[in-house]
This record gives sequence, structure tokens and C-alpha cells, in this order.
Amino acid sequence: GQNIDQPTEMTATEGAIVQINCTYQTSGFNGLFWYQQHAGEAPTFLSYNVLDGLEEKGRFSSFLSRSKGYSYLLLKELQMKDSASYLCAADRGSTLGRLYFGRGTQLTVWP
Amino acid sequence: EAQVTQNPRYLITVTGKKLTVTCSQNMNHEYMSWYRQDPGLGLRQIYYSMNVEVTDKGDVPEGYKVSRKEKRNFPLILESPSPNQTSLYFCASRAGPNYGYTFGSGTRLTVV
Repeated sequence: GQNIDQPTEMTATEGAIVQINCTYQTSGFNGLFWYQQHAGEAPTFLSYNVLDGLEEKGRFSSFLSRSKGYSYLLLKELQMKDSASYLCAADRGSTLGRLYFGRGTQLTVWP
Repeated sequence: EAQVTQNPRYLITVTGKKLTVTCSQNMNHEYMSWYRQDPGLGLRQIYYSMNVEVTDKGDVPEGYKVSRKEKRNFPLILESPSPNQTSLYFCASRAGPNYGYTFGSGTRLTVV
């Protein structure tokens, strides 16, 4: 089976840094995706980690530890437009096409 | 523009009346998938397809059918919709196992 856990809600202020954690247990794990979803809209791709370590992309970074079944998304210099749900998703390479999503972390950025 | 197009965006229907939600992608992707999203439950995979004529069940396939007769199209069929299928549905496609899914804009379905 598979289990993906992330916090339900987080809040932060503009300009701050926030870290959204995700733990997963899934067989045949291939990699870990992060998506952003604004209310009423489609999820959009943020990052994909296959190897252990930190991947940086502008204000957003994502980290993966395969041995610990753990990932985080780091958002720096927060802006109001970063208020959204952040979804972590485990890619099961052994079963092609299967991408399992966590329930999402609703981030609210306050001025 | 590379995109996944699904229609309709909004649909209200009655219990038992067959309906089809269409999905088309213009990226020549082999993999396509349908998800439903419900409050507190997140995105759950209904069906997925790895190529033409190759489909398989996801986590919540009951009450749904799909077909993949052409690479670009992956319609979702509800033969006899019920109120518990009221949800937000997303179609998505991806180029391969190490690529992310690109999502359509969603279809908000209400079954009364």
C-alpha cells in the first residue's frame, strides 16, 4: 500500500520562509513531486526529486531523503500569491502511470 | 500551446443519466489519467492509461469507465451517475514515468 502524510494547514507572513513536510510509505518508489494548487484551479508542477538532496528553483526548493521516506518544500520570500494548497505526490515507477497524492497543505500567507 | 483540454467545465445532472467528460491532450503524451478531488480526501486516481488501448484501474474506479482509442483522447464515462460521484474531476497527461502530470482545468460535476 501507500501512505502519504503532510500537514493540513500552515500560516506564515509575507517575506518569511516556510517549510512544508511530507512523509511517504510506498512500494516501488521512483520519485517525489510537489504541485501547487490555487483554489478552484488545476494543480501545477513545482518540482520533482529522484535523488537524495536539495533541488533549488528560484524561491522554491525541494528536498528528498529516500532512506527516511521524507521530503520537504521550502518557500522563501513568501508573497501573498503563494497562498495555495501544496500537494506532495509519490511516483511509483514500478506501476507506470500511478502517481499518489497526499491530501495537500493549505498555506495562508498574511501581510 | 501545450495543454490538456477537458469539457465541460461545469455539469449538473440527475441520478442515472449517462454522461461523458471528454479529455484531449496535444502533447503526444503516452500516459493519461483521471483524478477526482474531494474536500479532505485530496486527489484520488480513478483510471489511468499507459498507451492506446492500455488502461488500468486506479484507487476509486467503481462507477466509472474509460477508453483510449486514440493517443490524444481519454474520455471518462459515468454510465449511471449517483450523488456520491459529485466531485471535481481532473484529467491529466504525462510524457513518461519521470515526468510530472499536466492537468486539465477541471470539471465540476454535481449529481442530484
